[in-house]
Amino acid sequence: SQTIHQWPATLVQPVGSPLSLECTVEGTSNPNLYWYRQAAGRGLQLLFYSVGIGQISSEVPQNLSASRPQDRQFILSSKKLLLSDSGFYLCAWGGLGETQYFGPGTRLLVL
Amino acid sequence: GESVGLHLPTLSVQEGDNSIINCAYSNSASDYFIWYKQESGKGPQFIIDIRSNMDKRQGQRVTVLLNKTVKHLSLQIAATQPGDSAVYFCADAPFLGKLIFGQGTTLQVKP
Repeated sequence: SQTIHQWPATLVQPVGSPLSLECTVEGTSNPNLYWYRQAAGRGLQLLFYSVGIGQISSEVPQNLSASRPQDRQFILSSKKLLLSDSGFYLCAWGGLGETQYFGPGTRLLVL
Repeated sequence: GESVGLHLPTLSVQEGDNSIINCAYSNSASDYFIWYKQESGKGPQFIIDIRSNMDKRQGQRVTVLLNKTVKHLSLQIAATQPGDSAVYFCADAPFLGKLIFGQGTTLQVKP
């Protein structure tokens, strides 16, 4: 069966510091991968998605970037965090126009 | 732009009663619809989905109804239990398109 991992689970970072969140998927090959952000009490906002290694589509202009160095690895990064980057970051895998399966999430607090 | 919204931010029901959570969507080209359950601090969990060529689909204690004429989607939970307490999200996507999420309805189950 397929499983999706995210780490760290929780992160507290100062403004201006760098960020690296990692997502890995097991049990499937060449998955579509997604990064979402969820603000407190709000819906999910799609940030990036990838249909293959090195292929990244950005949905929202922002202070973040994504990379896919391996088939089942998706990384969310920032060079300098802003207060507004705080939130719950979710990685997902699945097809376009189909079911997506989410990881456990990373809660990021920027102070 | 397109949006998916839920009619009520909070729904409170008595344990054992049936729950109905509603969702409206705006994109007439939407082909795929899905419901997720999100417990506090966790990633969204797939509940049930439906394609536009169907108007009803049943799972274990859950039923999704789709009314394409009025662009309305609902999730029915039979015999609601305390473990059903969570935030419920609907999402829709056009054929091979990205999921668009609503803002969520919080279901509170009273013992």
